[in-house]
Amino acid sequence: DVKVTQSSRYLVKRTGEKVFLECVQDMDHENMFWYRQDPGLGLRLIYFSYDVKMKEKGDIPEGYSVSREKKERFSLILESASTNQTSMYLCASMSGLYTGELFFGEGSRLTVL
Amino acid sequence: AQTVTQSQPEMSVQEAETVTLSCTYDTSENNYYLFWYKQPPSRQMILVIRQEAYKQQNATENRFSVNFQKAAKSFSLKISDSQLGDTAMYFCAFMRVGSNYKLTFGKGTLLTVNP
Repeated sequence: DVKVTQSSRYLVKRTGEKVFLECVQDMDHENMFWYRQDPGLGLRLIYFSYDVKMKEKGDIPEGYSVSREKKERFSLILESASTNQTSMYLCASMSGLYTGELFFGEGSRLTVL
Repeated sequence: AQTVTQSQPEMSVQEAETVTLSCTYDTSENNYYLFWYKQPPSRQMILVIRQEAYKQQNATENRFSVNFQKAAKSFSLKISDSQLGDTAMYFCAFMRVGSNYKLTFGKGTLLTVNP
């Protein structure tokens, strides 16, 4: 069974802290994504990666960075957390076959105080 | 840029009845895919159904079917014989072929199935 695992389901951080959100997939997928989900706004793409050490900005990259040192792991980094980054963060992966099927993790709910 | 619009923020349906969720999209592309994803409460989002734009036949997956109207840029989801487990947020999504696998999502429709 395919699996995308996000390291933390719930996090509470303070303004200005550096935050790491980790995501691991066991499907050998080339493509990995970080989305942000907010009520009334749907899913918005922050960053994605189509290969190790390769990354592209999504629609809302400001305030975020990413790291992909290994194929199975894709990390989202908030260099200096702010209250407007309080949100649900979803990691997803997709194979290189052009199916469009994203496999999602359970999400990480981040609260920044 | 592509946009995806779901005009119904919330819907409800009685168990065993049929419900249709609406989605429209805006694109100048001719080669693309459309999707419906389901996010049950506190659970992972999963793919429900996929439609290739070049196919005229509407996709079906068991109780789920779509009405794809390419000229009208409309892509609705019909759920037949609704079940309590269908209660979820439903997202319509668009992917342009050659877009580095980027999906654009709508804002979602919260569907509640009542017993």
